[in-house]
Amino acid sequence: SQQGEEDPQALSIQEGENATMNCSYKTSINNLQWYRQNSGRGLVHLILIRSNEREKHSGRLRVTLDTSKKSSSLLITASRAADTASYFCASHLRAGGTSYGKLTFGQGTILTVHP
Amino acid sequence: NAGVMQNPRHLVRRRGQEARLRCSPMKGHSHVYWYRQLPEEGLKFMVYLQKENIIDESGMPKERFSAEFPKEGPSILRIQQVVRGDSAAYFCASSPGTGSFQPQHFGDGTRLSIL
Repeated sequence: SQQGEEDPQALSIQEGENATMNCSYKTSINNLQWYRQNSGRGLVHLILIRSNEREKHSGRLRVTLDTSKKSSSLLITASRAADTASYFCASHLRAGGTSYGKLTFGQGTILTVHP
Repeated sequence: NAGVMQNPRHLVRRRGQEARLRCSPMKGHSHVYWYRQLPEEGLKFMVYLQKENIIDESGMPKERFSAEFPKEGPSILRIQQVVRGDSAAYFCASSPGTGSFQPQHFGDGTRLSIL
Protein backbone atom coordinates (compact mmCIF):
# COMPACT_ATOMS: atom_id res chain seq x y z
CA SER A 1 0.00 0.00 0.00
CA GLN A 2 1.12 3.57 -0.60
CA GLN A 3 2.76 4.89 2.55
CA GLY A 4 2.82 8.51 1.52
CA GLU A 5 0.03 10.40 -0.16
CA GLU A 6 0.51 14.00 -1.11
CA ASP A 7 -1.83 16.74 -2.09
CA PRO A 8 -2.26 18.67 -4.13
CA GLN A 9 -0.81 16.77 -7.06
CA ALA A 10 -0.07 20.06 -8.77
CA LEU A 11 0.10 23.62 -7.51
CA SER A 12 0.48 26.76 -9.59
CA ILE A 13 1.16 30.11 -7.90
CA GLN A 14 2.64 33.53 -8.55
CA GLU A 15 6.04 34.61 -7.32
CA GLY A 16 5.86 36.00 -3.81
CA GLU A 17 2.93 33.82 -2.78
CA ASN A 18 3.20 31.00 -0.26
CA ALA A 19 2.95 27.36 -1.27
CA THR A 20 1.63 24.65 1.03
CA MET A 21 1.93 20.95 0.32
CA ASN A 22 0.51 18.18 2.46
CA CYS A 23 1.54 14.60 3.03
CA SER A 24 -0.13 11.73 4.84
CA TYR A 25 1.34 8.41 5.85
CA LYS A 26 -0.03 5.19 7.24
CA THR A 27 2.33 3.63 9.78
CA SER A 28 4.50 4.82 12.66
CA ILE A 29 7.60 6.70 11.61
CA ASN A 30 11.03 7.56 12.96
CA ASN A 31 11.15 10.72 10.93
CA LEU A 32 9.69 12.34 7.86
CA GLN A 33 11.78 14.03 5.21
CA TRP A 34 11.01 16.40 2.38
CA TYR A 35 12.89 16.34 -0.88
CA ARG A 36 12.86 18.46 -4.00
CA GLN A 37 13.42 17.21 -7.54
CA ASN A 38 14.09 19.41 -10.52
CA SER A 39 13.18 17.98 -13.89
CA GLY A 40 15.66 15.34 -15.01
CA ARG A 41 17.68 15.51 -11.82
CA GLY A 42 18.03 13.60 -8.59
CA LEU A 43 16.41 14.46 -5.29
CA VAL A 44 17.76 17.13 -3.03
CA HIS A 45 17.16 16.81 0.69
CA LEU A 46 15.34 19.84 2.13
CA ILE A 47 14.45 19.13 5.72
CA LEU A 48 14.01 16.28 8.20
CA ILE A 49 11.56 16.32 11.08
CA ARG A 50 11.72 13.72 13.82
CA SER A 51 8.66 11.96 15.14
CA ASN A 52 8.92 13.81 18.47
CA GLU A 53 9.05 17.23 16.78
CA ARG A 54 6.02 19.24 15.76
CA GLU A 55 7.51 22.02 13.70
CA LYS A 56 10.80 22.84 12.05
CA HIS A 57 12.10 25.79 10.07
CA SER A 58 14.87 26.14 7.52
CA GLY A 59 15.12 29.45 5.72
CA ARG A 60 11.87 29.93 3.78
CA LEU A 61 10.74 26.41 4.59
CA ARG A 62 8.46 25.43 7.43
CA VAL A 63 7.51 21.82 8.09
CA THR A 64 4.91 20.61 10.54
CA LEU A 65 4.25 17.09 11.71
CA ASP A 66 1.09 15.77 13.34
CA THR A 67 1.67 12.18 14.37
CA SER A 68 -1.88 11.81 15.69
CA LYS A 69 -3.20 12.50 12.19
CA LYS A 70 -0.20 10.91 10.48
CA SER A 71 0.28 13.99 8.36
CA SER A 72 2.88 16.60 7.53
CA SER A 73 2.91 19.86 5.63
CA LEU A 74 5.61 21.81 3.85
CA LEU A 75 5.21 25.56 3.56
CA ILE A 76 7.41 27.58 1.23
CA THR A 77 7.09 31.28 1.94
CA ALA A 78 7.70 34.11 -0.51
CA SER A 79 8.06 31.70 -3.41
CA ARG A 80 10.41 32.31 -6.31
CA ALA A 81 10.38 31.06 -9.89
CA ALA A 82 13.45 28.97 -8.97
CA ASP A 83 11.28 27.01 -6.50
CA THR A 84 9.53 25.39 -9.47
CA ALA A 85 10.10 21.65 -8.98
CA SER A 86 8.47 18.47 -7.71
CA TYR A 87 8.35 18.05 -3.95
CA PHE A 88 8.22 14.69 -2.23
CA CYS A 89 7.69 13.62 1.33
CA ALA A 90 9.44 10.46 2.44
CA SER A 91 8.77 8.56 5.62
CA HIS A 92 11.38 6.61 7.51
CA LEU A 93 9.54 3.83 9.24
CA ARG A 94 9.87 3.04 12.92
CA ALA A 95 11.55 -0.18 14.06
CA GLY A 96 14.93 -1.56 13.33
CA GLY A 97 15.79 -4.66 11.46
CA THR A 98 15.36 -4.69 7.74
CA SER A 99 13.09 -1.66 7.59
CA TYR A 100 15.94 0.49 8.80
CA GLY A 101 17.16 2.93 6.20
CA LYS A 102 14.37 2.49 3.69
CA LEU A 103 12.47 5.62 2.71
CA THR A 104 8.89 5.42 1.47
CA PHE A 105 8.02 8.26 -0.88
CA GLY A 106 4.75 9.93 -1.70
CA GLN A 107 3.63 10.62 -5.25
CA GLY A 108 4.83 14.19 -5.09
CA THR A 109 3.46 17.67 -5.68
CA ILE A 110 4.45 19.51 -8.84
CA LEU A 111 4.92 23.16 -7.93
CA THR A 112 5.01 25.83 -10.62
CA VAL A 113 5.88 29.37 -9.60
CA HIS A 114 5.14 31.96 -12.26
CA PRO A 115 7.38 35.04 -12.41
CA ASN B 1 33.13 17.34 -2.40
CA ALA B 2 31.76 14.99 -5.03
CA GLY B 3 28.21 13.95 -4.50
CA VAL B 4 26.70 10.59 -5.36
CA MET B 5 27.85 9.68 -8.85
CA GLN B 6 25.76 7.52 -11.11
CA ASN B 7 26.63 6.32 -14.56
CA PRO B 8 25.61 6.15 -17.21
CA ARG B 9 23.09 8.99 -17.13
CA HIS B 10 21.18 7.44 -20.00
CA LEU B 11 21.18 3.80 -21.05
CA VAL B 12 19.37 2.28 -24.00
CA ARG B 13 18.96 -1.46 -24.24
CA ARG B 14 17.01 -3.83 -26.45
CA ARG B 15 14.65 -6.36 -24.93
CA GLY B 16 16.57 -9.36 -23.66
CA GLN B 17 19.85 -7.53 -23.09
CA GLU B 18 21.47 -6.83 -19.74
CA ALA B 19 21.64 -3.43 -18.07
CA ARG B 20 24.30 -2.48 -15.53
CA LEU B 21 23.88 0.67 -13.51
CA ARG B 22 26.70 2.00 -11.35
CA CYS B 23 26.68 4.13 -8.25
CA SER B 24 29.59 5.61 -6.34
CA PRO B 25 28.43 6.90 -2.95
CA MET B 26 29.60 10.11 -1.38
CA LYS B 27 33.00 9.94 0.25
CA GLY B 28 32.71 8.45 3.71
CA HIS B 29 29.27 6.93 3.08
CA SER B 30 28.99 3.20 3.56
CA HIS B 31 25.22 2.79 3.02
CA VAL B 32 23.73 2.66 -0.46
CA TYR B 33 20.09 2.58 -1.50
CA TRP B 34 18.55 2.01 -4.92
CA TYR B 35 15.17 3.41 -5.92
CA ARG B 36 13.13 3.24 -9.13
CA GLN B 37 10.96 6.07 -10.43
CA LEU B 38 8.35 5.56 -13.10
CA PRO B 39 7.13 8.63 -15.04
CA GLU B 40 4.90 10.94 -13.00
CA GLU B 41 5.41 8.85 -9.87
CA GLY B 42 7.39 8.95 -6.66
CA LEU B 43 10.40 6.82 -5.94
CA LYS B 44 9.96 3.18 -4.96
CA PHE B 45 12.55 1.52 -2.74
CA MET B 46 14.37 -1.43 -4.24
CA VAL B 47 17.37 -2.43 -2.13
CA TYR B 48 19.60 -1.26 0.71
CA LEU B 49 23.23 -2.34 0.89
CA GLN B 50 26.26 -1.86 3.01
CA LYS B 51 29.73 -2.88 1.94
CA GLU B 52 29.57 -6.52 0.81
CA ASN B 53 26.14 -7.01 2.41
CA ILE B 54 22.55 -6.76 1.26
CA ILE B 55 20.58 -5.43 4.22
CA ASP B 56 17.09 -5.14 2.75
CA GLU B 57 16.02 -6.26 -0.72
CA SER B 58 12.30 -6.24 -0.07
CA GLY B 59 11.66 -3.93 -3.04
CA MET B 60 13.60 -5.93 -5.60
CA PRO B 61 11.71 -8.02 -8.15
CA LYS B 62 12.38 -11.68 -7.46
CA GLU B 63 13.78 -12.41 -10.88
CA ARG B 64 16.26 -10.71 -13.22
CA PHE B 65 17.32 -8.00 -10.73
CA SER B 66 20.39 -8.15 -8.52
CA ALA B 67 22.52 -5.66 -6.64
CA GLU B 68 25.94 -5.65 -5.08
CA PHE B 69 28.21 -3.27 -3.21
CA PRO B 70 31.68 -4.79 -3.22
CA LYS B 71 34.49 -3.96 -0.85
CA GLU B 72 36.17 -1.98 -3.61
CA GLY B 73 34.39 -0.09 -6.35
CA PRO B 74 30.89 1.18 -6.98
CA SER B 75 27.56 -0.41 -6.21
CA ILE B 76 26.04 -2.16 -9.21
CA LEU B 77 22.38 -2.69 -10.01
CA ARG B 78 22.08 -5.39 -12.64
CA ILE B 79 18.99 -6.15 -14.69
CA GLN B 80 19.12 -9.25 -16.83
CA GLN B 81 16.94 -9.92 -19.87
CA VAL B 82 15.38 -6.47 -19.76
CA VAL B 83 11.75 -5.95 -20.75
CA ARG B 84 9.84 -2.79 -21.73
CA GLY B 85 8.46 -2.45 -18.22
CA ASP B 86 11.97 -1.94 -16.87
CA SER B 87 12.08 1.49 -18.53
CA ALA B 88 12.39 3.97 -15.67
CA ALA B 89 14.78 6.27 -13.87
CA TYR B 90 16.92 4.45 -11.34
CA PHE B 91 18.29 6.50 -8.47
CA CYS B 92 21.01 5.67 -6.03
CA ALA B 93 21.33 7.33 -2.64
CA SER B 94 23.93 7.08 0.08
CA SER B 95 24.20 7.94 3.73
CA PRO B 96 26.94 7.76 6.35
CA GLY B 97 26.91 5.05 9.02
CA THR B 98 24.10 4.11 11.30
CA GLY B 99 21.53 6.58 12.53
CA SER B 100 17.96 6.97 11.36
CA PHE B 101 18.25 10.76 11.31
CA GLN B 102 20.72 10.91 8.50
CA PRO B 103 19.29 12.23 5.24
CA GLN B 104 19.99 10.30 2.10
CA HIS B 105 21.95 12.00 -0.65
CA PHE B 106 20.83 11.19 -4.17
CA GLY B 107 22.59 10.93 -7.48
CA ASP B 108 21.09 12.32 -10.68
CA GLY B 109 19.91 8.90 -11.74
CA THR B 110 20.22 6.60 -14.73
CA ARG B 111 17.41 6.80 -17.24
CA LEU B 112 16.94 3.35 -18.71
CA SER B 113 15.07 3.00 -21.99
CA ILE B 114 14.17 -0.37 -23.42
CA LEU B 115 13.57 -0.59 -27.15
